[in-house]
This record gives sequence, structure tokens and C-alpha cells, in this order.
Amino acid sequence: AQSVAQPEDQVNVAEGNPLTVKCTYSVSGNPYLFWYVQYPNRGLQFLLKYITGDNLVKGSYGFEAEFNKSQTSFHLKKPSALVSDSALYFCAVRPGLSGNTPLVFGKGTRLSVIA
Amino acid sequence: SQTIHQWPATLVQPVGSPLSLECTVEGTSNPNLYWYRQAAGRGLQLLFYSVGIGQISSEVPQNLSASRPQDRQFILSSKKLLLSDSGFYLCAWSVLASSYEQYFGPGTRLTVT
Repeated sequence: AQSVAQPEDQVNVAEGNPLTVKCTYSVSGNPYLFWYVQYPNRGLQFLLKYITGDNLVKGSYGFEAEFNKSQTSFHLKKPSALVSDSALYFCAVRPGLSGNTPLVFGKGTRLSVIA
Repeated sequence: SQTIHQWPATLVQPVGSPLSLECTVEGTSNPNLYWYRQAAGRGLQLLFYSVGIGQISSEVPQNLSASRPQDRQFILSSKKLLLSDSGFYLCAWSVLASSYEQYFGPGTRLTVT
């Protein structure tokens, strides 16, 4: 069965420093991988996705993620964190076998960027 | 462009009362539709999803039900609410053309008292 793990409940980083939010996955077949961000009392916003191609994917708001097949990871990164990046981040995966399979979400990582 | 609407935005209901939450999508056809619940600002629990009119898959047995009376309308219902039904309810849609990434609505905050 497919699954996603976000090993950190909370990540704290100083403004201006690089940030990493970790995600590992387990799926059958080639994975489709996604990152979402959620601000308080809002729906999730799509940040970026990996389907195929370059392992480094660039997304919204300066975020990027690196797909690593050997480590089954898809960590979210940003070179310089902003206070406004503070939010809840979700990693999600879907096996590339059927488009009708819902995404499987991780439990979320709360990012706090400190000024 | 596509948009997704949910209403109401907030709802306070007594235990034992009925529930109806509505979700509609504009600007796309034949979307997959999803209902999630989020408790205490953390993980998402998939409740139902639908790949077409009248087709509902239930992920978690509970006192909630879902219906899809029209292509772009998804309704979450309950005949009698429980305290444990409190949470943040999110509707989402996806289509093949966008590699099935899911797009979420603004959510409904339900408090059962």
C-alpha cells in the first residue's frame, strides 16, 4: 500500500536561512509526488509536483523539491526562508498507475520561520 | 479558470442535528471530487471520493454520507451529528489534464456542540 512519511512535526528556521521539509514515500510503480501548503483556516494550496523528468522541481513562492528515487524521498527546500513561509506543509503521493486513485497525504509538518 | 466553492464557511450545530455541506466546481468538466476532514489543524482524513455522477467511494465507515447529484456538485451529509464530527472539512477536485493534482476549496469549519 502506498504511504507518505513526514518525520518532523515541527521545523524551526531563522529568516534568511535555508529550509528543508522532509518527505519519504512508499508506492507501487512510479510515483507522482506533490507538495501543498496550508495557511491557518484555509484550504491547501498546490506548490509543486514531480511526475517525470528532472529530479529537481521548481514551484511557487521560490520553493523547490528534489526527487531521489534511491532514497524514496522528495524533500521540500527553499534557499532563504521568509516569515511568511510559516505554515503547515503536506507531502502527497499517488501511484502512477491509475488517475482515479486519491492522493495519499503525509500528516503534515509545521514550519515556523523566526525573524 | 477553475474555481471551487464551499459553503457555509463556518457552522455551529448541536449534537443530533442534520448536516449538509456543499461543494461546487466551476470551469472544468467531469472532475474527480473529494471530501476530507482535518482535525486540530493537522492531518487530512479522506472521507469520500467520486469519479462521476452517482459514483461514491467511502473511505471511512461513519455517520457521514456523500452524494454527487450533478457533475460539478458534491454534498456531504449527516442525519445526526456527533461531537466527534467537529473539524475542518475540505473539498477538492482533480482532472487527468493536470496529472490529477488536487485543488482544494476554502473549507468549512464545523463545530458540533
